[in-house]
Amino acid sequence: GAGVSQSPRYKVAKRGQDVALRCDPISGHVSLFWYQQALGQGPEFLTYFQNEAQLDKSGLPSDRFFAERPEGSVSTLKIQRTQQEDSAVYLCASSAPGIGSPLHFGNGTRLTVT
Amino acid sequence: AQSVTQLGSHVSVSEGALVLLRCNYSSSVPPYLFWYVQYPNQGLQLLLKYTTGATLVKGINGFEAEFKKSETSFHLTKPSAHMSDAAEYFCAVSDWDQAGTALIFGKGTTLSVSS
Repeated sequence: GAGVSQSPRYKVAKRGQDVALRCDPISGHVSLFWYQQALGQGPEFLTYFQNEAQLDKSGLPSDRFFAERPEGSVSTLKIQRTQQEDSAVYLCASSAPGIGSPLHFGNGTRLTVT
Repeated sequence: AQSVTQLGSHVSVSEGALVLLRCNYSSSVPPYLFWYVQYPNQGLQLLLKYTTGATLVKGINGFEAEFKKSETSFHLTKPSAHMSDAAEYFCAVSDWDQAGTALIFGKGTTLSVSS
């Protein structure tokens, strides 16, 4: 596709449920990022992939958060045993190779944990 | 560690007035600097970026920003605001020497434009 695609657009989960959020980056973009954006805040870095390798996961808030990109294209962010504090918009972004390449963002998945 | 401070969480201007959104950064290495805009229920869209070279950077929709190393600033301006400029604006910084490095974002500034 022309841009970064994320699904679902909205997700409501009961506390304790597991969720999986999907990101389909722009074709040819080797770098893929996940960000978490709480209401009224800027995006906060979660994790970064270069192709299939997860090079940085320092932003994942707990071991309930897990991300993968097994074939170097589509990525999934999984949250186990969701908590209310996980409610946020989860943004995926990809970028082309090269220093200074800007991030291209998807429209995000709004997760609400009840 | 890098950081970004956006002064003023909310800026209100009249249509046709100058827009000035302030951003200061902290970085131990030469930074790459970005401004993104976010409309309601959408992702972030790149307005402009500074990497190297000319310190005055022009972006889309008539916006521009000037990198001032001595002031560690990268303020965003637009000479004449339009109603369609109302949105959330984010300043971001990344390391210049690492491809694929994560962007660090500020907390954002909401721009309101009144007629």
